[in-house]
Amino acid sequence: KNEVEQSPQNLTAQEGEFITINCSYSVGISALHWLQQHPGGGIVSLFMLSSGKKKHGRLIATINIQEKHSSLHITASHPRDSAVYICAATYYGGSQGNLIFGKGTKLSVKP
Amino acid sequence: KAGVTQTPRYLIKTRGQQVTLSCSPISGHRSVSWYQQTPGQGLQFLFEYFSETQRNKGNFPGRFSGRQFSNSRSEMNVSTLELGDSALYLCASSLAAIDTQYFGPGTRLTVL
Repeated sequence: KNEVEQSPQNLTAQEGEFITINCSYSVGISALHWLQQHPGGGIVSLFMLSSGKKKHGRLIATINIQEKHSSLHITASHPRDSAVYICAATYYGGSQGNLIFGKGTKLSVKP
Repeated sequence: KAGVTQTPRYLIKTRGQQVTLSCSPISGHRSVSWYQQTPGQGLQFLFEYFSETQRNKGNFPGRFSGRQFSNSRSEMNVSTLELGDSALYLCASSLAAIDTQYFGPGTRLTVL
């Protein structure tokens, strides 16, 4: 069964701290997505990656294909980063829209 | 460019009724996917459409159906509503295969 596991489930940080959220998956994937969901439900796609590393502002996403593992890093965290971060995978044999989701990491950044 | 829009945003129905939700993708996007989000199960894939064809369907009963029109707008229908169908229903569009998905704000369905 294709699965996506995330850790930690909940994370509380002080403003300015470096944050890491981890994601592991079971078999070969064609793409790994990191999503951000704020209270109220809206989801924003942060990254889509299949190899290496991507950076956007204070956010960095990495993926290790051999270890079937991805990480999302937030540098110099800020209270506005408080949200649920969700990892999702498109598996080989699945199509683009068929995302398998992790259960999410709820991040709270305190001022 | 306008984002993905979903209507209605909120909906209250009673058990046994049926409901239709609508999704308008970003202009030029031909792929539309639907997802259900509940506190217990999290986000789950419902179905995906590309150029009016259903390409994939998640593990949901036949009461859940959908379609896509020639202008790429999509609808999903749930018949014979059950209490457990209460959820946030999200649609997302993308330009092509293996591409970033852009999510709509969702429709929050409550079944009483």
